[in-house]
Amino acid sequence: DSGVTQTPKHLITATGQRVTLRCSPRSGDLSVYWYQQSLDQGLQFLIQYYNGEERAKGNILERFSAQQFPDLHSELNLSSLELGDSALYFCASSGGQGGSANYGYTFGSGTRLTVV
Amino acid sequence: ELKVEQNPLFLSMQEGKNYTIYCNYSTTSDRLYWYRQDPGKSLESLFVLLSNGAVKQEGRLMASLDTKARLSTLHITAAVHDLSATYFCAVASGTYKYIFGTGTRLKVLA
Repeated sequence: DSGVTQTPKHLITATGQRVTLRCSPRSGDLSVYWYQQSLDQGLQFLIQYYNGEERAKGNILERFSAQQFPDLHSELNLSSLELGDSALYFCASSGGQGGSANYGYTFGSGTRLTVV
Repeated sequence: ELKVEQNPLFLSMQEGKNYTIYCNYSTTSDRLYWYRQDPGKSLESLFVLLSNGAVKQEGRLMASLDTKARLSTLHITAAVHDLSATYFCAVASGTYKYIFGTGTRLKVLA
């Protein structure tokens, strides 16, 4: 157990629907990162939050949004889902803003999203 | 924009052999990480490299960083089946985000 908790582990939903993925960072970590992993695109950085504030944005679609709450857990909202959104979505956390100098990120086990 | 390339993408090797995975990146960066991912699993941090000439070793894996050449290598010595996995390098892009390489899928054959 890495200490980063993601729920749910698996999610199957229909096109056009909206889902919310949840991430609880490792205890004491202030930064949360979201990544999308698909077969054809590899690991794509989506967005980062640090202590509730958005700090960096990557290739995140407008249909996707995220937030980090005061208790530091984060949610990734995916709406108007398309078949191409099927992927593994990883959350990672770190203590500081840019990743731990000693360990990098700590990744959660991921949420496997299947859009049918 | 930072680009990170790994090669080879696939590597099939016999147990006991040595091989090297390469990670090239396009712009200056001061931090590079190596991760391992088993099929269907999460990513596990292996090494962090913070300076030019940095070398880290853990068991049969050794990672090095040449910031002038914008190149990191992950060397596998006397491979064993348990090392079969996908290996990613990740390069810092600015302060807050990391760009991952395409990954190298390693299969060690008995």
